[in-house]
Amino acid sequence: NAGVTQTPKFRVLKTGQSMTLLCAQDMNHEYMYWYRQDPGMGLRLIHYSVGEGTTAKGEVPDGYNVSRLKKQNFLLGLESAAPSQTSVYFCASSSSGSTGELFFGEGSRLTVL
Amino acid sequence: SQQGEEDPQALSIQEGENATMNCSYKTSINNLQWYRQNSGRGLVHLILIRSNEREKHSGRLRVTLDTSKKSSSLLITASRAADTASYFCATDTDSSYKLIFGSGTRLLVRP
Repeated sequence: NAGVTQTPKFRVLKTGQSMTLLCAQDMNHEYMYWYRQDPGMGLRLIHYSVGEGTTAKGEVPDGYNVSRLKKQNFLLGLESAAPSQTSVYFCASSSSGSTGELFFGEGSRLTVL
Repeated sequence: SQQGEEDPQALSIQEGENATMNCSYKTSINNLQWYRQNSGRGLVHLILIRSNEREKHSGRLRVTLDTSKKSSSLLITASRAADTASYFCATDTDSSYKLIFGSGTRLLVRP
């Protein structure tokens, strides 16, 4: 049972570089989320999707873009990375939005130099 | 801004003792959830309590919800070293789509 899989698990970028984080879920969930976790800040919602082809902004969307071309995949893009985007990124999925349980991936640790 | 705020930020107890963590939130909710995160891992769902419920149990976990005070508590009874983790509350705020997380309580259970 793979559940929610994030790739890559670790990445180091230089300021200004771009990259994409991939989240894949095999549970046929409609809802998918990208959060970032910084020390002492808990998790903050970046973007989310309520179904294939849809995306919406969360609490901290600036500097990020997302796409949900396929139901099972949710991509998070950084067009021009900044040191402030150094964080651990978590993807999650749910069958019923916030009315039910979220299933999380193991995280992607990104360092921007 | 954070919707939920946990208290205390850190808690250290002896194995066998009970651990209580509190969560306060700002706006009305439909449900509140608690999650656990082991160091370096993703979050794992523990329990969900709906706004019309006052108490819920799951194994050694007991969750209470007081909507008049906009607060919830998570009690772990007879703690074990394996309970060492960070615990987060999450609320659905004004949307049925998204969950907003608090900053968490770091629990250390000493053997």
